[in-house]
Amino acid sequence: QQQVKQSPQSLIVQKGGISIINCAYENTAFDYFPWYQQFPGKGPALLIAIRPDVSEKKEGRFTISFNKSAKQFSLHIMDSQPGDSATYFCAASRMDSNYQLIWGAGTKLIIKP
Amino acid sequence: NAGVMQNPRHLVRRRGQEARLRCSPVKGHSHVYWYRQLPEEGLKFMVYLQKENIIDESGMPKERFSAEFPKEGPSILRIQQVVRGDSAAYFCASSPGQGPAFFGQGTRLTVV
Repeated sequence: QQQVKQSPQSLIVQKGGISIINCAYENTAFDYFPWYQQFPGKGPALLIAIRPDVSEKKEGRFTISFNKSAKQFSLHIMDSQPGDSATYFCAASRMDSNYQLIWGAGTKLIIKP
Repeated sequence: NAGVMQNPRHLVRRRGQEARLRCSPVKGHSHVYWYRQLPEEGLKFMVYLQKENIIDESGMPKERFSAEFPKEGPSILRIQQVVRGDSAAYFCASSPGQGPAFFGQGTRLTVV
């Protein structure tokens, strides 16, 4: 019940295309869903996060879509750029213990020029 | 304005030795978190500390692992009598309140 399943494991997208990464969670008590971006040799950086009271959140080219009934959420990167090439992690937790994030296994995204 | 600083970046230890990982949080941040990352996996929570206090250590192995965040100086994650399974990247994060805000670059521990 604590798992967060992330797919795909790796993704190759042409420059300018849309990158889509999906996650599914099991614990209905989770109410905080962040996405992190990690470049090789670096620590993760918070990209965008959503709470379950909204179905979508957009920040620049990054959008989170959230489906509470299906217990799924996804990251969409519009107009993908080579600089977006990184590993992306979804995570989930309860907001009142948001340091106890349960992380997905990561998606290695490569944007081809 | 330096971010979270971890050192060393890479650490090699023989089985049975001790590993000490250091984390200096962002200036002014009093909350520190440690996470472990195995290859091809996401991070796993280990421990949450505030100055001089352990708030939540539910993710820490019961033996050989300890953490501290003294009043002065960096937070230390200490692994005694390391085994090959301890090989991983260890990340520290800090924040001014609850919830990790900024992550360090990690310490990659290799046990040989």
